[in-house]
Amino acid sequence: ETGVTQTPRHLVMGMTNKKSLKCEQHLGHNAMYWYKQSAKKPLELMFVYNFKEQTENNSVPSRFSPECPNSSHLFLHLHTLQPEDSALYLCASSQVTGSDEQYFGPGTRLTVT
Amino acid sequence: GQQVMQIPQYQHVQEGEDFTTYCNSSTTLSNIQWYKQRPGGHPVFLIQLVKSGEVKKQKRLTFQFGEAKKNSSLHITATQTTDVGTYFCAGRETSGSRLTFGEGTQLTVNP
Repeated sequence: ETGVTQTPRHLVMGMTNKKSLKCEQHLGHNAMYWYKQSAKKPLELMFVYNFKEQTENNSVPSRFSPECPNSSHLFLHLHTLQPEDSALYLCASSQVTGSDEQYFGPGTRLTVT
Repeated sequence: GQQVMQIPQYQHVQEGEDFTTYCNSSTTLSNIQWYKQRPGGHPVFLIQLVKSGEVKKQKRLTFQFGEAKKNSSLHITATQTTDVGTYFCAGRETSGSRLTFGEGTQLTVNP
């Protein structure tokens, strides 16, 4: 399944590093999402973009900065992260926000040391 | 805010046994979706239920949406090892609102 791709698949970074996660969808969708998945916690919605416009920021700390240059690409810029930010970061897309099923990418496993 | 709760958190079954996971919302839902995440994988959409009392089947999987549209269930008949994974429900409070995911039920099937 290659509809939604994410790179890198694994990332280890120090607390002072700056890195970016990339997501690309090949499904012609107009909505894209960032989720955080931590052990023993529900999927946490972070950001929503609809037609390149951010429509939701779920009280995410400013050390996470999203960017959506077009409907097919979504980035998550990371800086000065904390160890508790270690998690699986999942990108998803849907036709539009609000009613459709979401297609998830394989995720980036992030470890903050 | 809206909360979606799933039980049980874990379920271990012998291959061939049935399995059910339950999803309960603190508020009435517009629709509910179910996803499956295999170990080491990502969530994959299974189905969406919209109507009160709706029942949908996919082979050995039966999905139900409660009459009050506040709860849902997923039942698997005669589990197989390929059913292993975590099953998540995700509800929408109103059409157009965000999906709120439950914590998931992790299913293990012993051959």
